Amino acid sequence: AQSVTQLGSHVSVSEGALVLLRCNYSSSVPPYLFWYVQYPNQGLQLLLKYTTGATLVKGINGFEAEFKKSETSFHLTKPSAHMSDAAEYFCAVSDQVTGGGNKLTFGTGTQLKVEL
Amino acid sequence: NAGVTQTPKFQVLKTGQSMTLQCAQDMNHEYMSWYRQDPGMGLRLIHYSVGAGITDQGEVPNGYNVSRSTTEDFPLRLLSAAPSQTSVYFCASSDYRSEQYFGPGTRLTVT
Repeated sequence: AQSVTQLGSHVSVSEGALVLLRCNYSSSVPPYLFWYVQYPNQGLQLLLKYTTGATLVKGINGFEAEFKKSETSFHLTKPSAHMSDAAEYFCAVSDQVTGGGNKLTFGTGTQLKVEL
Repeated sequence: NAGVTQTPKFQVLKTGQSMTLQCAQDMNHEYMSWYRQDPGMGLRLIHYSVGAGITDQGEVPNGYNVSRSTTEDFPLRLLSAAPSQTSVYFCASSDYRSEQYFGPGTRLTVT
């Protein structure tokens, strides 16, 4: 079974400050990892994904994440927060080995607030 | 391309009523899934399909039925609605090993 833990259900940063959203996963097989963003009353939009290869993954809107196998982590960062980054962020893991398709296991989400 | 579409956007049901949430995608994706989103719980998988005629249960399947007669459509049926099914429902589709594309969601209230 897989699981995802997102530390901090609410994170508040100042505009221009570093954004760090934490994600740890548990998987008995090599994982595929995703970060999605959800703006109010909208669906989920993919920010970035890790499948294989380079462990530092760059996504849209200046976000990036690093897959650290030894720490079972996939933290999301952005050097400088913008007001438009205020949203809810979800980390998710997928198990590709069982052949069950892209079944995603989600974390409980982190609400990011950006203050002036 | 319209991507993943869901209807209706909002629905209010009385306990015991049945209804079908519609989901369609025009990307020729093999995989389709239904999730429910509840505050503080993230998204949880209800049912999924790996192709036409093939469906399977996810984490929270009780009270829901699905079928997949075409590649494009993946409806979710609530057989007898309960207040515990008040939630936001998202449909998603993907190719094998690609990311999932999500629809805009259906907000369901059961009174």
